[in-house]
Amino acid sequence: DGGITQSPKYLFRKEGQNVTLSCEQNLNHDAMYWYRQDPGQGLRLIYYSQIVNDFQKGDIAEGYSVSREKKESFPLTVTSAQKNPTAFYLCASSRQAGPYEQYFGPGTRLTVT
Amino acid sequence: RKEVEQDPGPFNVPEGATVAFNCTYSNSASQSFFWYRQDCRKEPKLLMSVYSSGNEDGRFTAQLNRASQYISLLIRDSKLSDSATYLCVVDLSGTYKYIFGTGTRLKVLA
Repeated sequence: DGGITQSPKYLFRKEGQNVTLSCEQNLNHDAMYWYRQDPGQGLRLIYYSQIVNDFQKGDIAEGYSVSREKKESFPLTVTSAQKNPTAFYLCASSRQAGPYEQYFGPGTRLTVT
Repeated sequence: RKEVEQDPGPFNVPEGATVAFNCTYSNSASQSFFWYRQDCRKEPKLLMSVYSSGNEDGRFTAQLNRASQYISLLIRDSKLSDSATYLCVVDLSGTYKYIFGTGTRLKVLA
């Protein structure tokens, strides 16, 4: 059963703590993406990776970091430097970077207090 | 002008009605267009790609108008289960990025 998994579904953290969100896909897709969604706003791109061991900043990368050591995995770390980390985080993948459909995981709701 | 604009709605329609949404985009060089459906507190799910020649999938029809820079989504014979937010997605030409609209909310009423 192919797809994208994200864990956990809900995450609560205290301010000042780093937290890592998991994203795994078994679709054999080369490209992976991280977005955040806030109420009343469109999805905003945090980071993307076109291929293993390569990634680029998106529009709102400050306060976040990623790694892409394996094709299947693209974890996102929300650091204490991110000023407004509470949001719905969505991971996506596509066959390749470029004009291809993106498929999303179920998301992680992060609440930082 | 926003890169992608959608009427937020909500569009309240009775079951069986036909409803249409438009989405305007600002980059005339954009090449890829999609409609996604997002249910409350869930991830977006791909509804359909939008091709230059249009695209139809059952009760759903998507059209592209390059001259006026908009895409449209038509839903015929609306079902209660069509209630959701519909996101318009457009590529940022020359990059690997997509711009997501803020969505149009549809409520189909019994």
